[in-house]
Amino acid sequence: AQSVTQLDSQVPVFEEAPVELRCNYSSSVSVYLFWYVQYPNQGLQLLLKYLSGSTLVKGINGFEAEFNKSQTSFHLRKPSVHISDTAEYFCAVSVGNTGNQFYFGTGTSLTVIP
Amino acid sequence: DTEVTQTPKHLVMGMTNKKSLKCEQHMGHRAMYWYKQKAKKPPELMFVYSYEKLSINESVPSRFSPECPNSSLLNLHLHALQPEDSALYLCASSPPSGGIRYEQYFGPGTRLTVT
Repeated sequence: AQSVTQLDSQVPVFEEAPVELRCNYSSSVSVYLFWYVQYPNQGLQLLLKYLSGSTLVKGINGFEAEFNKSQTSFHLRKPSVHISDTAEYFCAVSVGNTGNQFYFGTGTSLTVIP
Repeated sequence: DTEVTQTPKHLVMGMTNKKSLKCEQHMGHRAMYWYKQKAKKPPELMFVYSYEKLSINESVPSRFSPECPNSSLLNLHLHALQPEDSALYLCASSPPSGGIRYEQYFGPGTRLTVT
């Protein structure tokens, strides 16, 4: 069975401070990993993805994430956040042979404080 | 064009009404999805269409009826809904897997309120 855990439901952080949003997954097969952002009353927008290759992936808006197979983690980081980064962030896993199905984490609400 | 469009943006309907949600993409994607999302929760998968055929139905009540008339269009027909069906309904699409998983592209959603 596959599952995705986002350990922090809410993360407040001051503007221009660094932030890390944590994501752990469990799967017995190869996975493909994604981070999405959702601004209020909008759909989900892809921030970055890991399919294979380099374990450090860069995404849009200055975000990056590192795939760690031994720790089954895919944490999202940004060195300096802006007010506009306030949003809901979802980690998602796609597993081989599941018919294009995603498994979403429960989400982390990032609030950037001025 | 990397856009998934959804209409309407907002919908208010009574429990006896029949309405439809529409989703369209012109990226050549052959997998399309319907999700339901409640506030502060992750999207919950409802249906998956692969090459215009229903491949996954996550035990969704029959008052929700999906339809995929062609490779670009996905509809969700609604009938006799309950107030607890009020939510944001998201449509998504992705390329054929071909053994490699691609990201899903999401539309902006339809905010549904059942009165």
